[in-house]
Amino acid sequence: AQSVTQPDIHITVSEGASLELRCNYSYGATPYLFWYVQSPGQGLQLLLKYFSGDTLVQGIKGFEAEFKRSQSSFNLRKPSVHWSDAAEYFCAVGAQTSNQFYFGTGTSLTVIP
Amino acid sequence: SQTIHQWPATLVQPVGSPLSLECTVEGTSNPNLYWYRQAAGRGLQLLFYSVGIGQISSEVPQNLSASRPQDRQFILSSKKLLLSDSGFYLCAWTQGTGRSDTQYFGPGTRLTVL
Repeated sequence: AQSVTQPDIHITVSEGASLELRCNYSYGATPYLFWYVQSPGQGLQLLLKYFSGDTLVQGIKGFEAEFKRSQSSFNLRKPSVHWSDAAEYFCAVGAQTSNQFYFGTGTSLTVIP
Repeated sequence: SQTIHQWPATLVQPVGSPLSLECTVEGTSNPNLYWYRQAAGRGLQLLFYSVGIGQISSEVPQNLSASRPQDRQFILSSKKLLLSDSGFYLCAWTQGTGRSDTQYFGPGTRLTVL
């Protein structure tokens, strides 16, 4: 069965420090992979997505993610975190042959000055 | 450009009362539509999705129902709300291509059942 795991429920980083949020998926074929961000009380905003091609994808707000097929991972990174990055981050996987989406349980990011 | 609307933004309802949440999409046709619920501090739970008018797939059996009376309108309903129905309800759409293309989310509805 398809699934998405975000092992870190909550992460705290200092402003200016680097960030990596982990995402592992289980899917029988080549997946479509997404990262979304949610500010409190808001909907989800797409940060970036991977469909095919270059395994390192760039997104908005200075985020990037790398698809590693051998590790079934799609980790999100940012070299220098800003206070405004504090939010909930969701990894999701979609299918090439269906309309199904699967979301991880999210990672809450706190940024300290 | 495409936009997605949800209303109301917030709602406080007593236990046992009915519910109707509405979601509409503009700027596209034949979208796939989704209803998610997000409980406090939890991830997203897919409730329903629809690939066309009158076509509803339910992911989780519960006292909620969904309807799609028009191509770009998706409604979430309940005849009698439970306390456990409290949460943040999100509507999303994708282009109906038969594959899981990018989902775009609405602003959400905060439902509190007292």
